[in-house]
Amino acid sequence: NAGVTQTPKFRILKIGQSMTLQCAQDMNHNYMYWYRQDPGMGLKLIYYSVGAGITDKGEVPNGYNVSRSTTEDFPLRLELAAPSQTSVYFCASRDGTGGGYTFGSGTRLTVV
Amino acid sequence: AQSVTQLGSHVSVSEGALVLLRCNYSSSVPPYLFWYVQYPNQGLQLLLKYTSAATLVKGINGFEAEFKKSETSFHLTKPSAHMSDAAEYFCAVSAMDSSYKLIFGSGTRLLVRP
Repeated sequence: NAGVTQTPKFRILKIGQSMTLQCAQDMNHNYMYWYRQDPGMGLKLIYYSVGAGITDKGEVPNGYNVSRSTTEDFPLRLELAAPSQTSVYFCASRDGTGGGYTFGSGTRLTVV
Repeated sequence: AQSVTQLGSHVSVSEGALVLLRCNYSSSVPPYLFWYVQYPNQGLQLLLKYTSAATLVKGINGFEAEFKKSETSFHLTKPSAHMSDAAEYFCAVSAMDSSYKLIFGSGTRLLVRP
């Protein structure tokens, strides 16, 4: 099925470890986004990309990095995991019409 | 800059009662507005969206929302609550800059009492 695929679904990291959250879409969408969701806080934008080779910071980019070498993939990198990065992470993409956003099923990350 | 405010972090209704979840937005240009639902431990599912066509928008599962420019509101309603409607609901506005990012409200958790 076409959509946004996130891996892994769950992960436990130790403080200081690094990892990459994967996000892939097969809808040829130019726009892609990474959000984090914390209880009672809604979703906050970490990074976004308007096309291959172009990325920009959102509201809460500290501690994260992204790259966009292809239209399909938009990985999110955590270099030195901290407990404050315990959250649920959602990747999303947007079609060109403005009305269609597709979300992945999320990655639940715990940093201990 | 655009923003979204959801009034009430928790709303409790009886099964069969009217559901009303409030959302107010701030935008200097005609916005695109969305309602999403999130069931426990799941992702976000689009309920409905307003993209400057009809002001009354019908969505899935019997939900609808009315865009009221004069009140800068986009409240979500359902005539009769069902137990399966218990979830968290998010209102969002699409930024009208080059990012087109979604800006979310803080969410409203709907509880349905039997």
